[in-house]
Amino acid sequence: DGGITQSPKYLFRKEGQNVTLSCEQNLNHDAMYWYRQDPGQGLRLIYYSQIVNDFQKGDIAEGYSVSREKKESFPLTVTSAQKNPTAFYLCASSSPRRGTGYTFGSGTRLTVV
Amino acid sequence: DQQVKQNSPSLSVQEGRISILNCDYTNSMFDYFLWYKKYPAEGPTFLISISSIKDKNEDGRFTVFLNKSAKHLSLHIVPSQPGDSAVYFCAASARLSSGSARQLTFGSGTQLTVLP
Repeated sequence: DGGITQSPKYLFRKEGQNVTLSCEQNLNHDAMYWYRQDPGQGLRLIYYSQIVNDFQKGDIAEGYSVSREKKESFPLTVTSAQKNPTAFYLCASSSPRRGTGYTFGSGTRLTVV
Repeated sequence: DQQVKQNSPSLSVQEGRISILNCDYTNSMFDYFLWYKKYPAEGPTFLISISSIKDKNEDGRFTVFLNKSAKHLSLHIVPSQPGDSAVYFCAASARLSSGSARQLTFGSGTQLTVLP
């Protein structure tokens, strides 16, 4: 079955450390996205990528970095510069068909300890 | 500046009754609107969408209505079932730039609880 796999599901990080969240898709989608969800808020866009080796900042990119070396993979690094990293992180991909929206992964809960 | 708003953080309805979830938006560039359902610690799953050129789309128990002049959309669930209990996000879609990527702007969600 096609889908998006995020790993790990739960992640703990010490303050001052960088950490990388994995996102892999086998849907053959060109576009991939990273969103962050905080309690009581909607999903906010961190970064997106339309094609391999290209990515763009979203609304809250500060303190994050991404790479897109392969079509299937779009890892997100949460750097020590991110002031409030504890959140639920969601990766998504989309096809060009407008009405279908995104396919989301199951998310990674990051907690800074 | 919230471009997509869900003003009701929670809604409780009796099983078998209608659930109506509301959403307002401000950006006229949005050309598609979607509803997602989300359970705790899981990613959202796509429920139903509507193009900005339509005013209604129906799929089984789920109907989405769009009032473009009022910049308002709503999701109706009839009849409501206990398994419908989840957080529902409204999202609005617009093209990011030339290319295939489209940005979804999400509302803050409404927790629906269907009571048996």
